[in-house]
Amino acid sequence: EAQVTQNPRYLITVTGKKLTVTCSQNMNHEYMSWYRQDPGLGLRQIYYSMNVEVTDKGDVPEGYKVSRKEKRNFPLILESPSPNQTSLYFCASQPSRDRATEAFFGQGTRLTVV
Amino acid sequence: GQNIDQPTEMTATEGAIVQINCTYQTSGFNGLFWYQQHAGEAPTFLSYNVLDGLEEKGRFSSFLSRSKGYSYLLLKELQMKDSASYLCAVPFQKLVFGTGTRLLVSP
Repeated sequence: EAQVTQNPRYLITVTGKKLTVTCSQNMNHEYMSWYRQDPGLGLRQIYYSMNVEVTDKGDVPEGYKVSRKEKRNFPLILESPSPNQTSLYFCASQPSRDRATEAFFGQGTRLTVV
Repeated sequence: GQNIDQPTEMTATEGAIVQINCTYQTSGFNGLFWYQQHAGEAPTFLSYNVLDGLEEKGRFSSFLSRSKGYSYLLLKELQMKDSASYLCAVPFQKLVFGTGTRLLVSP
């Protein structure tokens, strides 16, 4: 089954404790991205990757890192989480660099930083 | 830059028809997407319009007017399960999403 898989689904952590949210897709998509979703603000892009070893900042990259060592995986790293990073996070993949293609989303990760 | 506007919330009754509007301003147009998102879940693709006019897909239809920078999603024969947020999105250098319209369907 074609899918984007994120883990974990739910995470509560403390300020400053490094964490990684994993994202994997099995559709051989080139383009992957991370979004955060907050009430009243909608989906905002954090980082994106057009292909292996090619990543770039989205609209709200501060406090986050990503890597793209393999085509299928695109982990999101919070080196020192802070409470303002409490949010619902989505990983998404698209078939090509052409953004006019359907985005497939992971199930979401609800992160709470206390 | 990109700017997308949608109403924040709408209510409708089961069996009715509802139209959710989206206006956008973009420096280069490359189509418009509609996604459905149930609370706490991932957005799922509903439609993609790149040419003017109405595209019908079962109970859902999507309309686009490029000259007016306007689109709408039409939901017919509303069901309780249609209660969700509906996001319009415009691809530019990235997919830019509106803040979504939360639709509440009551019995």
